[in-house]
Amino acid sequence: ETGVTQSPTHLIKTRGQQVTLRCSSQSGHNTVSWYQQALGQGPQFIFQYYREEENGRGNFPPRFSGLQFPNYSSELNVNALELDDSALYLCASTGPFNYGYTFGSGTRLTVV
Amino acid sequence: DQQVKQNSPSLSVQEGRISILNCDYTNSMFDYFLWYKKYPAEGPTFLISISSIKDKNEDGRFTVFLNKSAKHLSLHIVPSQPGDSAVYFCAATRMNSGGSNYKLTFGKGTLLTVNP
Repeated sequence: ETGVTQSPTHLIKTRGQQVTLRCSSQSGHNTVSWYQQALGQGPQFIFQYYREEENGRGNFPPRFSGLQFPNYSSELNVNALELDDSALYLCASTGPFNYGYTFGSGTRLTVV
Repeated sequence: DQQVKQNSPSLSVQEGRISILNCDYTNSMFDYFLWYKKYPAEGPTFLISISSIKDKNEDGRFTVFLNKSAKHLSLHIVPSQPGDSAVYFCAATRMNSGGSNYKLTFGKGTLLTVNP
């Protein structure tokens, strides 16, 4: 059974640019969530996708958007990057009646 | 408004002794609680969970206790090992009607150091 894989592992972007982060869910998992973990903080929920539709969103502005594909892989897109967007972005997946999420290793985004 | 709080940023214990990590929550709608462990450069790894219908759940060296009236849970690790050194996150969620969990609300984490 494969785990959750994220790419890239590290990324440096300039303020105002756009970024796309990618995630492959664990086999059999049809729900994917994205979290932002700033330095010294716990992960903060961005949004969740189920069957290719967003079914929950945290307190993040619309410039954070996502996609889930038929194979349950997912993307997180962030437009108009700001310095405060610098963080570790974590993807997590879960399956039906699973009570825990499996996390990927994350993408470290630095905005300069 | 921080709904899940881990008030101890760090904890240091000797190998072989008990580690007790604490977590408080404010949202009474939470009905499922999880502990995750995180090493540097890795994602959080699920450790153990507990439903609000229980007050204790045990898995090997790890035991989680839930006190609903106090809105408090704790993770006990006995005996502690140097390999347990990591950041531990407490998380809470509300199970949806489909039986699967929804978003996780995390605390800020506690850095556990187990000294040989």
